[in-house]
Amino acid sequence: AQSVTQPDIHITVSEGASLELRCNYSYGATPYLFWYVQSPGQGLQLLLKYFSGDTLVQGIKGFEAEFKRSQSSFNLRKPSVHWSDAAEYFCAVVENYGQNFVFGPGTRLSVLP
Amino acid sequence: DVKVTQSSRYLVKRTGEKVFLECVQDMDHENMFWYRQDPGLGLRLIYFSYDVKMKEKGDIPEGYSVSREKKERFSLILESASTNQTSMYLCASRPQGLSYEQYFGPGTRLTVT
Repeated sequence: AQSVTQPDIHITVSEGASLELRCNYSYGATPYLFWYVQSPGQGLQLLLKYFSGDTLVQGIKGFEAEFKRSQSSFNLRKPSVHWSDAAEYFCAVVENYGQNFVFGPGTRLSVLP
Repeated sequence: DVKVTQSSRYLVKRTGEKVFLECVQDMDHENMFWYRQDPGLGLRLIYFSYDVKMKEKGDIPEGYSVSREKKERFSLILESASTNQTSMYLCASRPQGLSYEQYFGPGTRLTVT
C-alpha cells in the first residue's frame, strides 16, 4: 500500500521568510501527488498537483512544489511567507486507480509577525 | 464553483446515540467520500461511493455505515456513537475522469460524551 510521510509536525517561520514543507511517498509507479491546505475551521483547499511532465509545478497563493523521483519526494515551497499562510498542510497521493487519496499526517505552519 | 456542504459544523451527541452526518454537493459529481481527521493521523478514509446506491469500505469503516440514495447526497451514519468516534469528519466529492482532485466540505466536528 502507498504511504505518505511528512516529517515535520509543526514548523514556525517569520513573515517574509522562505518556506519548505517536506513530503515523501512510497509507491511503485509514477504517483499522482497533491498538496492541500486547511485554514483553521475550514475544509481542505487544493494548492497544486502533479501528474506528469514538468517536475516543478506552480500552484495558487504563490506556492510551488518539485517532484523528485530519485528521492520519492514532493516538497512544497514558498519564497516569502505571509501571515495568512498559517494553516495545516497536507500532502496526498492517489492510489487504487484514482479512487482513494492517501494523506500524510499534516504539517502545521505558524507564522511569526 | 464547486460547493460541498455539510449539515452541521459542530455536533454533540451522547454515547449510544445514532448519528447522521449529511453531505451535499452541487456539481453532479459521481464520487463522494467520507474521511475522519485526527491530530497526527491526517485524513483517513471511512467510506466512498462511486455511484448512487454504491459504496465501498475505506481504511476505517468499523462502527460506520453510509447511504447514497441520490447522486448529490452522501450520508455517514454512526449506528451507536462511542467516545472514540469524537473527531472531525470531512466529506469530499470528485467527478469521474482523470483530474482526481477532490473537493472538500468545511467539516463537522463531532463530540461524543
